Amino acid sequence: QSALTQPPSASGSPRQSVTISCTGTSSDVGGYNYVSWYQQHPGKAPKLMIFEVSKRPSGVPDRFSGSKSGNTASLTVSGLQAEDEADYYCSSYAGSSSLVFGGGTKLTVL
Amino acid sequence: EVQLVQSGAEVKKPGESLRISCKGSGYTFTSNWISWVRQMPGKGLEWMGRIDPSDSYTNYSPSFQGHVTISADKSVTTAYLQWRSLKASDTAMFYCARHPQGYSYGPIFDYWGQGTLVTVSS
Repeated sequence: QSALTQPPSASGSPRQSVTISCTGTSSDVGGYNYVSWYQQHPGKAPKLMIFEVSKRPSGVPDRFSGSKSGNTASLTVSGLQAEDEADYYCSSYAGSSSLVFGGGTKLTVL
Repeated sequence: EVQLVQSGAEVKKPGESLRISCKGSGYTFTSNWISWVRQMPGKGLEWMGRIDPSDSYTNYSPSFQGHVTISADKSVTTAYLQWRSLKASDTAMFYCARHPQGYSYGPIFDYWGQGTLVTVSS
């Protein structure tokens, strides 16, 4: 069971949009609509931003959106703000009651 | 207010045993599964396994099966992560995280503990 593949880094200027990809296989991302995204600021616990591919928990700004195509899920952050600078992790159900995370993407707001 | 409060940082020697804890409050402890997540220094998140506190049913990531034990004591609303014999490579931050009701098997964690840093060094 391998970690999902994310780009190590992404960046964008304030008010721009940035998309982070998360690539798995048909045994995880592609096989289920159970993909979540987490935001983690340095020294803090992760925070749920997106679940079930595209659903937002209450309190998460609608600047954050999720989607999936085939074996790749994506997180888009629109209207970038300074506080969006953080590490982002995707996670997927991987069958047989197992879960897997991506390697993480460091988002820099230029 | 829902809270998961973890035990404090630990410094251990290789070969020692350890149990860290995660106390849930502000909700019905037996209604939500709890997972444990590892984050090695400067690295990403890794799912270790989960437990149903109502009956202590567990399942583990293949990567962690046999290396750790997850348990829970519903009488004190606390979940545990335990090692019999620590290695230097177990040095990491460990988080407990709650699954929302109805989402026990998905990668959805709505509340997280503050993390417990475990350092294993001779």
